[in-house]
Amino acid sequence: DTAVSQTPKYLVTQMGNDKSIKCEQNLGHDTMYWYKQDSKKFLKIMFSYNNKELIINETVPNRFSPKSPDKAHLNLHINSLELGDSAVYFCASRLSSYNSPLHFGNGTRLTVT
Amino acid sequence: DQQVKQNSPSLSVQEGRISILNCDYTNSMFDYFLWYKKYPAEGPTFLISISSIKDKNEDGRFTVFLNKSAKHLSLHIVPSQPGDSAVYFCAAREGGSQGNLIFGKGTKLSVKP
Repeated sequence: DTAVSQTPKYLVTQMGNDKSIKCEQNLGHDTMYWYKQDSKKFLKIMFSYNNKELIINETVPNRFSPKSPDKAHLNLHINSLELGDSAVYFCASRLSSYNSPLHFGNGTRLTVT
Repeated sequence: DQQVKQNSPSLSVQEGRISILNCDYTNSMFDYFLWYKKYPAEGPTFLISISSIKDKNEDGRFTVFLNKSAKHLSLHIVPSQPGDSAVYFCAAREGGSQGNLIFGKGTKLSVKP
């Protein structure tokens, strides 16, 4: 199936650890994103990559770093995890042409203990 | 400061009747609006969109209405079906094709048989 897929679906880890979430899309999209859904259910953009270039970087701690080995992948690395990082993280992609909608992955629920 | 507001956290509707989900926004520079539907443990999926130059867009059972003077949009589902039960997110975009999507908190729709 054509899709945005992210792994793992669930991630439980302790404070201070470093973890990664992987994302792949086979839709031929040229822009990929990471969104965070916090406890208040807001979906907030964290990063986007267009043709391997970071074009949006909201006020996210530098413990979070996106890595894009190619335009079909955008992985999220998180260093020194904190309790407040617990959330659901969604990967998404789209074509940068006008009015092309976002396609989301199924999310990764990160729990930091 | 919420730029996109969905003031009803939940809505319950009888099968076959109309569901009306509402969304208000504050930024007059938003040029494109979208509705997403989300089932539990899945990512949001694109449902329908509307450009700011239009006031109505229809796709099957789903119609989105935009009232720019009131900064209000709504999603109508007619007739509602039990499979429509999900969380519906309103989103708005500023800044053309590369602009961010700003999401509301979502409204949980329950369609009762």
